[in-house]
Amino acid sequence: EPEVTQTPSHQVTQMGQEVILRCVPISNHLYFYWYRQILGQKVEFLVSFYNNEISEKSEIFDDQFSVERPDGSNFTLKIRSTKLEDSAMYFCASSEGGLEFHEQYFGPGTRLTVT
Amino acid sequence: DQQVKQNSPSLSVQEGRISILNCDYTNSMFDYFLWYKKYPAEGPTFLISISSIKDKNEDGRFTVFLNKSAKHLSLHIVPSQPGDSAVYFCAAVNNAGNMLTFGGGTRLMVKP
Repeated sequence: EPEVTQTPSHQVTQMGQEVILRCVPISNHLYFYWYRQILGQKVEFLVSFYNNEISEKSEIFDDQFSVERPDGSNFTLKIRSTKLEDSAMYFCASSEGGLEFHEQYFGPGTRLTVT
Repeated sequence: DQQVKQNSPSLSVQEGRISILNCDYTNSMFDYFLWYKKYPAEGPTFLISISSIKDKNEDGRFTVFLNKSAKHLSLHIVPSQPGDSAVYFCAAVNNAGNMLTFGGGTRLMVKP
């Protein structure tokens, strides 16, 4: 069964450093998403991406964040200058395109620890 | 931001019995609802969904009920199995986009 994959599974970085989290969505999916879950809190939407551009973003997704689909398979989330409060699980998700809403399928997550 | 709320942080059920997980929402623009299951150190796994034009959707042991007037949905698992022990999240989408708004989750424990 096709699945969303994410690398690395755990990333430790120092405050102020740049990190890139990587995702390979399900191959025939057209919508891509990033969510995060801070320990003990809800899963929160960050951004959605369709047709090579951002379609929605939340207030969390400020200028420190960017997304890219550098090739036909990868989808990345970059945090330019990490802060302690960026420590969280980051989940990538993807869904089919079309006029109807389609369920989003999540990857296993990347645990980001900012020290 | 409490647009989607799961008021029970945990639920314990005996194997073979019914598990009922509840979810309430406040945003009347939500028109599609989903349930996800999550094990530790894994991503949410999609379980079942329901459109706002329906009041029930069934898939094997899982049934989701939607009461739009009460802005309430529930997930029924019958019969419950020990492997169902996980955190269950409800999520909602509004008709303007694809962003999922999650509830806080309910930890289900199914005892053998």
